[in-house]
This record gives sequence, C-alpha cells and structure tokens, in this order.
Amino acid sequence: GAVVSQHPSRVICKSGTSVKIECRSLDFQATTMFWYRQFPKQSLMLMATSNEGSKATYEQGVEKDKFLINHASLTLSTLTVTSAHPEDSSFYICSALGQAQETQYFGPGTRLLVL
Amino acid sequence: AQSVAQPEDQVNVAEGNPLTVKCTYSVSGNPYLFWYVQYPNRGLQFLLKYITGDNLVKGSYGFEAEFNKSQTSFHLKKPSALVSDSALYFCAVRDIEDNDMRFGAGTRLTVKP
Repeated sequence: GAVVSQHPSRVICKSGTSVKIECRSLDFQATTMFWYRQFPKQSLMLMATSNEGSKATYEQGVEKDKFLINHASLTLSTLTVTSAHPEDSSFYICSALGQAQETQYFGPGTRLLVL
Repeated sequence: AQSVAQPEDQVNVAEGNPLTVKCTYSVSGNPYLFWYVQYPNRGLQFLLKYITGDNLVKGSYGFEAEFNKSQTSFHLKKPSALVSDSALYFCAVRDIEDNDMRFGAGTRLTVKP
C-alpha cells in the first residue's frame, strides 16, 4: 500500500517551453501532496504544499506563477514548470500524505533537463 | 519551526558490522520523526517512523531507530550492515500540529564488502 507514482520519470525540453509533471497516489486518497526539488548531492527543498480543491501554499522564494500546482482530485496533483529555463533543471519529487495524516510517501521523482 | 541535523555527510562501515546514522532534531512541540532512504535517481523510500509509544522503532530491511527525547535524537541503526544498504539516508521531522516536514541534509552510507 501507499504507492505514489510520478510521470514522466525523465524529460528534456527546450528553454521557454512548459513541462507538466503528474503525481498520483495509486492506492490511497491524499488530500495533501507536497512538491520538492532536489539539487545534486543536496537534501530536498520543499517547494509547495498542495491541498485538494484549494490553492497550493508555496514556500518563500518559490515563484507560484512559474511553478503552477493543481490538485484537482484526491489522487492527482500536477506541477507545471512554465517557460522553463536551464536553471530549472533539477530532480522534482512529489509526496502524498497518507490517510493517517502522519507519513509522507514519495514518488520516484522526475528529472528535468532544460536545454 | 522544526529542523533536523545529520552531523555526518558520510558513514563507512564494513559488511556485517553494526551501523549508526545520526540525527538530531528541534521542534517547538511534539515531534513525528522519520527515516527515508534514497537510491540513485530515485525518490525516497520510507523506512520507519516514530509517532508515539515505544521509543525503539523497528522498520524495513532490518533497520531500527531509537527516539531519545532528552537528547533530541533519533539515530538510525542496524545490527549487521549489508552492501545493499549503501544509499543516501534522510532523517525528517514534523511537528504534530503541522503537516510540513523538514529534512536533514542526508548521510551517505557506504558498506564495503
């Protein structure tokens, strides 16, 4: 139980294009999902908290107009990187808060490379 | 606000020896504490958690951790390390009043044959 998937696992795009990353909780409903960014050899940086049916809460320094988050259902949250630039290249990981509201379960991550 | 410290960037142990990966935390209220493991180019896998109850928590793959309130620590341990345990380990904490979780910087564990 508590499986989270992410799609795509890897994406390469041109600068200026937009990229959408999906995060799904496969066997449980998640009212709360989280989006993290991880730079090489570094820890996870929380970008935003996504609550089903409401606007995401962004961490300080994260541009909400650049990183669009939609949590339209209890099993799906999406992160769209708009007008991507090379500095947006990173490993993006989502997590979903389990039904007991205690443990975050993580997706496998999406590696984004912007050329 | 909560925070986590993992004082060691790297831990090296020989296969078959016990291992310890250290973690200390700071929260204003009562903590939920977690350990996750990350393999290259992968997301984090949940290992174990402390919510309440017994201070010694047993988790996946033979790992365990001990919650020590007086020392504000939650060290990860395994009696006998395997080469396949080599990975990046993250300690995380959240206040029970708050969903936000904060991660330590990570500790790279290398188990040599």
